[in-house]
Amino acid sequence: DADVTQTPRNRITKTGKRIMLECSQTKGHDRMYWYRQDPGLGLRLIYYSFDVKDINKGEISDGYSVSRQAQAKFSLSLESAIPNQTALYFCATSDGGLTNEKLFFGSGTQLSVL
Amino acid sequence: DAKTTQPPSMDCAEGRAANLPCNHSTISGNEYVYWYRQIHSQGPQYIIHGLKNNETNEMASLIITEDRKSSTLILPHATLRDTAVYYCIALSSGYALNFGKGTSLLVTP
Repeated sequence: DADVTQTPRNRITKTGKRIMLECSQTKGHDRMYWYRQDPGLGLRLIYYSFDVKDINKGEISDGYSVSRQAQAKFSLSLESAIPNQTALYFCATSDGGLTNEKLFFGSGTQLSVL
Repeated sequence: DAKTTQPPSMDCAEGRAANLPCNHSTISGNEYVYWYRQIHSQGPQYIIHGLKNNETNEMASLIITEDRKSSTLILPHATLRDTAVYYCIALSSGYALNFGKGTSLLVTP
């Protein structure tokens, strides 16, 4: 079984719908992250959480929200999806901090907003 | 975090060393330099990191200049499977990794 599991793997939705992407991990890591990837734009940070009570905005948090329900779970929500949120979304975890920040990624969720 | 600058693309012949440069001229004294790579649409994979000393592991070597304003990732004997996007990131305490666009490395036969 994968250490970092993202669900769903693929999702097609319509403009204006609320969507939740889920991430769970069995690695016991405190830190969790959400990134999105767009062709030509690289990988961009949406939100991150260093522990259950901590939520931080990344460089592109507008239009998104997150919930850290437990150490093992970190969900990303699109309250009202729009077409330019079509992208590949990655969840990642780590326990290293500044001196040993090795991220472990899920397989990604391909989201299409029509 | 300091901004890093990488060339958008590079080529390397299979079996030769791949030297990927990264400029981080505004890096502060407590920022680490991290390298990751991403193969096709998989999640990025950690390669190596360092503060000021050169580092080597089973995947690569990291050479950081004495003034810390730039670094080079070295893949000593590139293979076709090293074709990927390589990200150089400067990380400071309390922040998360911002990957940017990276360098697309193509290893050719």
